Amino acid sequence: QVQLVQSGGEVKKPGASVRVSCKAFGYAFTNYGISWVRQTPGQGLEWMGWISADNGNTNYAQKFQDRVSMTTDTSRTTVHMELRSLRSDDTALYYCARGGDRPYDALDFWGQGTMVAVSS
Amino acid sequence: DIQMTQSPSSLSASVGDRVTITCQASQDIRNYLNWYQQKPGKAPSLLIYTASYLETGVPSRFSGTGSGTDFTFTISNLQPEDIATYYCQQYDSLPLTFGGGTQVEIK
Repeated sequence: QVQLVQSGGEVKKPGASVRVSCKAFGYAFTNYGISWVRQTPGQGLEWMGWISADNGNTNYAQKFQDRVSMTTDTSRTTVHMELRSLRSDDTALYYCARGGDRPYDALDFWGQGTMVAVSS
Repeated sequence: DIQMTQSPSSLSASVGDRVTITCQASQDIRNYLNWYQQKPGKAPSLLIYTASYLETGVPSRFSGTGSGTDFTFTISNLQPEDIATYYCQQYDSLPLTFGGGTQVEIK
């Protein structure tokens, strides 16, 4: 069955970078894209961007444009999300979610979430 | 960015009740609206896509209607397992945006 399995929680200091992985199982990886969504108590659910699992095309939310990178590794059916220059307000639960072959789509399967805590 | 306003932010209802949640978009999003359920400690899961289409495996007591700027999500016969927070999400334009959520509790 379709599963997205994310890497484990991270604790980072302000100014550092974090890389979260999302490994896909049970479907044709390159036929879909992956969106990244984060969740905080204050901001709710926030879409960060999307990557085509096939060709690596990306579309980032303007808010994160300068600090985020998403990459795809088709041989490992894995997508990575890197967030740089971390601040305390980046403390959140980060989800990957399967979408279509374009960013405008429903998110039909979600990873379990990766907690990222930013603290000095 | 398109703002999605959900109401109410929380509600309490009895088992068997009909529950309605509304979602209003700050501009016309046609029918590009999805609904998600998030149970405590779990990731969101897709219930309704494109305003009114039930995702595979989702019970028929869940339904959605609307187009343009005003949308409604209904649970026709509330069950104990429906305790969750429900979110709307538009995908008419980027960035994708979510409503603030509606927490549903059992009275």
